[in-house]
Amino acid sequence: DGGITQSPKYLFRKEGQNVTLSCEQNLNHDAMYWYRQDPGQGLRLIYYSQIVNDFQKGDIAEGYSVSREKKESFPLTVTSAQKNPTAFYLCASSPPRQGIYEQFFGPGTRLTVL
Amino acid sequence: RKEVEQDPGPFNVPEGATVAFNCTYSNSASQSFFWYRQDCRKEPKLLMSVYSSGNEDGRFTAQLNRASQYISLLIRDSKLSDSATYLCVVNMVNSGAGSYQLTFGKGTKLSVIP
Repeated sequence: DGGITQSPKYLFRKEGQNVTLSCEQNLNHDAMYWYRQDPGQGLRLIYYSQIVNDFQKGDIAEGYSVSREKKESFPLTVTSAQKNPTAFYLCASSPPRQGIYEQFFGPGTRLTVL
Repeated sequence: RKEVEQDPGPFNVPEGATVAFNCTYSNSASQSFFWYRQDCRKEPKLLMSVYSSGNEDGRFTAQLNRASQYISLLIRDSKLSDSATYLCVVNMVNSGAGSYQLTFGKGTKLSVIP
């Protein structure tokens, strides 16, 4: 089955710890994205990558880091510098169709800082 | 003006009713428009793209009015399974991140009541 997987589904972290969220896709999509969603809020873009070995900051990149060493993988690290990391994190990817930019999402990771 | 604005609801409607959601967007250069559906504590899923000529998929009809920068979604013969949050999504062409970036509204919550 083709799709986007994220792991873990739930993650608990102590303050001051870095944590890495996994995102893998086997859809052969070039572009991948990370969003966070807070209760009652819209999705906010953290980072995105249009191609391997290249990525760009989104609207709320502070306290986060990413890498894109493989087309299939786009891990997100939440660092201790992120002041309010408790949120629902969503990874997405999009196919390289000219003029159409719909994105497809993984099931998400719920991060709770204790 | 918010980039993508939706009535948050909730819309509580009886089974079989017709319900309409509206959305306005601020960037007149936007080119791609979508409706996503998000169930409670799940990832958003693409419901339908919105085309200038309007498009229909079963009980769902989407309309785009570029002059008014307005998008709508009509659901006919509502089912219990339609209960979800509906997200209006727009490709913001002139955003700093380039045309690959989508901007999500906060969503309109729909509850279909037996």
